[in-house]
Amino acid sequence: DTAVSQTPKYLVTQMGNDKSIKCEQNLGHDTMYWYKQDSKKFLKIMFSYNNKELIINETVPNRFSPKSPDKAHLNLHINSLELGDSAVYFCASSQDYGTWGLPSGNTIYFGEGSWLTVV
Amino acid sequence: AQSVTQLGSHVSVSEGALVLLRCNYSSSVPPYLFWYVQYPNQGLQLLLKYTTGATLVKGINGFEAEFKKSETSFHLTKPSAHMSDAAEYFCAVSDPINTGKLIFGQGTTLQVKP
Repeated sequence: DTAVSQTPKYLVTQMGNDKSIKCEQNLGHDTMYWYKQDSKKFLKIMFSYNNKELIINETVPNRFSPKSPDKAHLNLHINSLELGDSAVYFCASSQDYGTWGLPSGNTIYFGEGSWLTVV
Repeated sequence: AQSVTQLGSHVSVSEGALVLLRCNYSSSVPPYLFWYVQYPNQGLQLLLKYTTGATLVKGINGFEAEFKKSETSFHLTKPSAHMSDAAEYFCAVSDPINTGKLIFGQGTTLQVKP
């Protein structure tokens, strides 16, 4: 069984469309994340949720809206897609986010990625 | 603020040769450091991590890394490269301000030549 699974793996869509990427983890973790990998392979966090509550929102445009119906799922909805949104989006999870104000040593488990191409 | 710099965006070694991937960090607190590997068209997989304790950390697939506070480094090594080691490698530091967040380096592409 895949620990962190996300769908779809590949998505090609036109500018202006709205799309969603779904993510599920079966590890029993409390914290889930969305990371974005750009064309230069640079990875940056977008959001994190702990037990359905938003913890980190890393100055992401309002067109991106995460939704966590329960702690095992974190979906990403993107409105009015732009060319610059083309990237690989990784869902991830960890046991929890640690203690606020201190670094976390928890391993973050990543999904396989969703390759989004906006044309 | 935390940051990570990986020296060398592309490293090429011959099969059987030593692999050395460099990572330097900047941190305002004792850092927690990670190395992840990304194979083509796949997600990231943890190779190893340093939190506290022994500064020489052993990971999967024969990789190890040594935390050197005086040099603010966490270089990744493997004594003998295999063709299957060809991948993208990312060093990361845990952000103490936004707890749970990883700050990644730019990545290093490892090429292994037969």
